[in-house]
Amino acid sequence: KAGVTQTPRYLIKTRGQQVTLSCSPISGHRSVSWYQQTPGQGLQFLFEYFSETQRNKGNFPGRFSGRQFSNSRSEMNVSTLELGDSALYLCASSSGQLNQPQHFGDGTRLSIL
Amino acid sequence: AQSVTQPDIHITVSEGASLELRCNYSYGATPYLFWYVQSPGQGLQLLLKYFSGDTLVQGIKGFEAEFKRSQSSFNLRKPSVHWSDAAEYFCAVGALETGNQFYFGTGTSLTVIP
Repeated sequence: KAGVTQTPRYLIKTRGQQVTLSCSPISGHRSVSWYQQTPGQGLQFLFEYFSETQRNKGNFPGRFSGRQFSNSRSEMNVSTLELGDSALYLCASSSGQLNQPQHFGDGTRLSIL
Repeated sequence: AQSVTQPDIHITVSEGASLELRCNYSYGATPYLFWYVQSPGQGLQLLLKYFSGDTLVQGIKGFEAEFKRSQSSFNLRKPSVHWSDAAEYFCAVGALETGNQFYFGTGTSLTVIP
């Protein structure tokens, strides 16, 4: 079956703008998690959605938000973009059961000018 | 709080040599442990996972890892490295108490020289 799909793959924005990233999980997966990856910082957990509800949240400012739709697709929004938001944003899906691994998309590369 | 430490930022090995990547975690209960690999420009691919049972787990691409509770470690090994193994490797930990939130190490970059 198809893997996790993230769109767009690349995005260039300027400071102060907002951006929306999209993630389509593996069919049947109800959990979607978002991570920010930057050099030297590794993967930083943003939040997890399960059945349209935010179930876990990392330590990011309120400018970072997300939502999940009834078909499990998820979007992440970042408002008032800052230079430091430049990163690879990864989406991962899983069944949502606690001991199941996450499956990752190829990410969206966001560059802030 | 949970944490994952990958002490080696970068490792270089010769093709055909053995490999061991270190991972230490900080957590009191039994964790769920994973190793992922990331090639440039791509997402993370699951290599193997440990939940319970046999502490030596086999994964894809000839990788294996051993869970050692006494050392809070989950080191990744491969007997003979191939040039295509050059990539970034991430160790991750989850637990019942943290729900579906996983914690990742900062990664180890592997270079393979011919």
